[in-house]
Formats: sequence, structure tokens, C-alpha cells
Amino acid sequence: AQKITQTQPGMFVQEKEAVTLDCTYDTSDQSYGLFWYKQPSSGEMIFLIYQGSYDEQNATEGRYSLNFQKARKSANLVISASQLGDSAMYFCAMRPYGAGGNKLTFGTGTQLKVEL
Amino acid sequence: DSGVTQTPKHLITATGQRVTLRCSPRSGDLSVYWYQQSLDQGLQFLIQYYNGEERAKGNILERFSAQQFPDLHSELNLSSLELGDSALYFCASSGSGYEQYFGPGTRLTVT
Repeated sequence: AQKITQTQPGMFVQEKEAVTLDCTYDTSDQSYGLFWYKQPSSGEMIFLIYQGSYDEQNATEGRYSLNFQKARKSANLVISASQLGDSAMYFCAMRPYGAGGNKLTFGTGTQLKVEL
Repeated sequence: DSGVTQTPKHLITATGQRVTLRCSPRSGDLSVYWYQQSLDQGLQFLIQYYNGEERAKGNILERFSAQQFPDLHSELNLSSLELGDSALYFCASSGSGYEQYFGPGTRLTVT
């Protein structure tokens, strides 16, 4: 079974600053993927970034980067140059690779508020 | 816009009733997933279909069922509804990549 832990229920950041959202995971699978999704107050789930367990380089997508530390089982999301539109709930998720489907297991989320 | 569509956006119904939620995946995606998001349970995987066949099952109640049709759209049927079934129900789809793209969700309110 997989478990995702997000220990920060809420975070505040000043506009234009960088912020790190924490995510740790637990799995016995050797091969897996890690994901971050953004959920604005409107409710939709927006895919942000993906990291494979065997990827040697940390994933980046624009202002988003994933700080992947496999030995520590952590997959923190770094948002650079925060914008007011980044205010939202952020979910870390993972899925194993292999038989049995591709279900995502989600953490409880971190509510990010970007302030002027 | 993820390319995944879900109808209806909102649904209000009474306890004991049955509803059907509909999802159309992104063009070309063969996999469809259903998730439930509630305040007490968070985001939970319900079921996955791949090209019409059930692929994986999660915490889906026996009162709930789903299917994927030959045109790849999927329906989630919820019956004998209870107050606790009130939630946001998401459909997601995936193709050859690893990421899943979510639809806008159907907000179900059971009164």
C-alpha cells in the first residue's frame, strides 16, 4: 500500500518569493511515479508536474520544480516567483507501476495563500 | 481545460435516490478513473476502466457501479444515496503518459 503525507495544512508566502510544499511518501514498490496537482477554489484538479522514481534529474515545469530525494522518500514541490494566482490547495500523489492498475493515492493537501 | 468533460456540474438529490454521473475522456485516452473527494475522506480512488474493461477497484461501495462504453465515455452510478455520499466526484483520463488529467468534477449534494 502507498501512503502520502503532507504535514503543512496551510502555508503563506509573499508574492514573488519562492515556497516549498512538503511531501513524503511510503511504498514498498520499486517503481513508481510522483505527482503534484493544484486545486483552486473553483474545484478543478490541475496537473502540475511528474517525477518517475528512476528519473535521475529533478523534474521542472516552468515555475514548478520537484525536489526528489529518493532515499528520504520525499518529493517536495518548489514554486518560484509566487503569484497571486498560485493561491490554491496543492496535492501530492503517487502511483505504483506494474500490474493492478494506475490508481493515484493522494495526500491531504496543503492550502497555499500568496500575499501581496 | 484538461479535455476531460463531466456532466452534470452540480446535482442535488434526496436520500435513497439514484444518480448517474457521466464522463468523456480526452481524445485518444483509453483509461478512465473515478475519484471521490469529501471533507472527511479526502481524495479517494474509486475505480479504473481501460478500453471498456475494469482494471482496478478502490474504496468503491457496493451501492456504486461504473462502466465504460465502446466510445470510451464512462458513467458512475450511485444508488440508495445517503447523506455521506455528498462529495465532489472526479473523472480522470490517461493515455500513454503517466499523468492523469482530471475533469471539472460533479458536485453531488444529497439532502
